[in-house]
Amino acid sequence: ETGVTQTPRHLVMGMTNKKSLKCEQHLGHNAMYWYKQSAKKPLELMFVYSLEERVENNSVPSRFSPECPNSSHLFLHLHTLQPEDSALYLCASSQDALGVANYGYTFGSGTRLTVV
Amino acid sequence: SQQGEEDPQALSIQEGENATMNCSYKTSINNLQWYRQNSGRGLVHLILIRSNEREKHSGRLRVTLDTSKKSSSLLITASRAADTASYFCATERNTGFQKLVFGTGTRLLVSP
Repeated sequence: ETGVTQTPRHLVMGMTNKKSLKCEQHLGHNAMYWYKQSAKKPLELMFVYSLEERVENNSVPSRFSPECPNSSHLFLHLHTLQPEDSALYLCASSQDALGVANYGYTFGSGTRLTVV
Repeated sequence: SQQGEEDPQALSIQEGENATMNCSYKTSINNLQWYRQNSGRGLVHLILIRSNEREKHSGRLRVTLDTSKKSSSLLITASRAADTASYFCATERNTGFQKLVFGTGTRLLVSP
């Protein structure tokens, strides 16, 4: 375990379903991130939270809705997804989102999402 | 785009050999980081090199950074089968919020 825990590990959902991905870290980090990893594409940054405030939203469709209730938890709420949204969704955390990083990000193991 | 691009896309070597992966990027950075990803899993941070550093070592890893050429290399010495994974470089830009921009990765296969 890296210190960042993602659940579930695998998720299959229909296009009309609503589901949520959960990420939890107890590393004392102040920043959390959602990334999407599709086959043969670079990791795409979706959302950045710094001290529970959303500071970046990279033109992500509204069918993806993030929530950060506290500095240890991050959710990604999913609704009316498309088959092309099938991917590995990775959560990461870092000490801070501001300033220059001295350390790398800590990633969870990801949720493999399949939209049918 | 500041996206890093790794070269080669795939590399196949024998145990004991050295593996070298390269990364190029386009804009000014604070630092460059290398990550490893085993199949279908999360990424693991390997090493961070700051823009004012030229070389860094960590165990069997050696990273170089040439900011004039906007390039970096990752050398894994005396490779092992367990080193089989995908390796990504990621650049942190020097303005705004920290965010890492990743390349497409190099798939390394180390055969026993």
